Amino acid sequence: SAVISQKPSRDICQRGTSLTIQCQVDSQVTMMFWYRQQPGQSLTLIATANQGSEATYESGFVIDKFPISRPNLTFSTLTVSNMSPEDSSIYLCSAGGGGLYNEQFFGPGTRLTVL
Amino acid sequence: AQSVTQLDSQVPVFEEAPVELRCNYSSSVSVYLFWYVQYPNQGLQLLLKYLSGSTLVKGINGFEAEFNKSQTSFHLRKPSVHISDTAEYFCAVTPRGAQKLVFGQGTRLTINP
Repeated sequence: SAVISQKPSRDICQRGTSLTIQCQVDSQVTMMFWYRQQPGQSLTLIATANQGSEATYESGFVIDKFPISRPNLTFSTLTVSNMSPEDSSIYLCSAGGGGLYNEQFFGPGTRLTVL
Repeated sequence: AQSVTQLDSQVPVFEEAPVELRCNYSSSVSVYLFWYVQYPNQGLQLLLKYLSGSTLVKGINGFEAEFNKSQTSFHLRKPSVHISDTAEYFCAVTPRGAQKLVFGQGTRLTINP
């Protein structure tokens, strides 16, 4: 298994600003992912963070709004840019070994409120 | 493409009663199946998974799930629930060989004393 930490755990931000969320894994992992969980909703995959190359974004998510970095096999960041109240959500990082079973381990999430 | 439907958005039960949370999926290829639990103000924790073999899988905290290929279902059960089981439960699938998890809408389990 993998233990994942995220920083910050929560934040309250003003409209128009940006916030960078950090995700740290306690071991090297092949795959890292970023999800959004809007209030009362399920998880939606934002993108797959690729080590050493540009992230792979899902339909409806773009790099200008959600730039992602992954400089090594244990760390990734997600930036929420030019925030609006609609960006208020929980953002979760997950990591998977990329092996046979595709099991993913999740961080505790970052609860973002945009005023 | 895959999709997951959790048939109940909320399930209230009394403490020590049995519970079943229903999950159906759709996929044109073979999948792995998962149940995750999200306690209030926390991230997701894996409860159990079905990869292959026996269709009845046991997980943590006394939960189990049964994979039914003909009905494309993966229902979660517990014979006797506790107050501490109050949480949101998510069913998820991923195609074998792929990496993405597709989640259902979630079922909020509320345990009443």
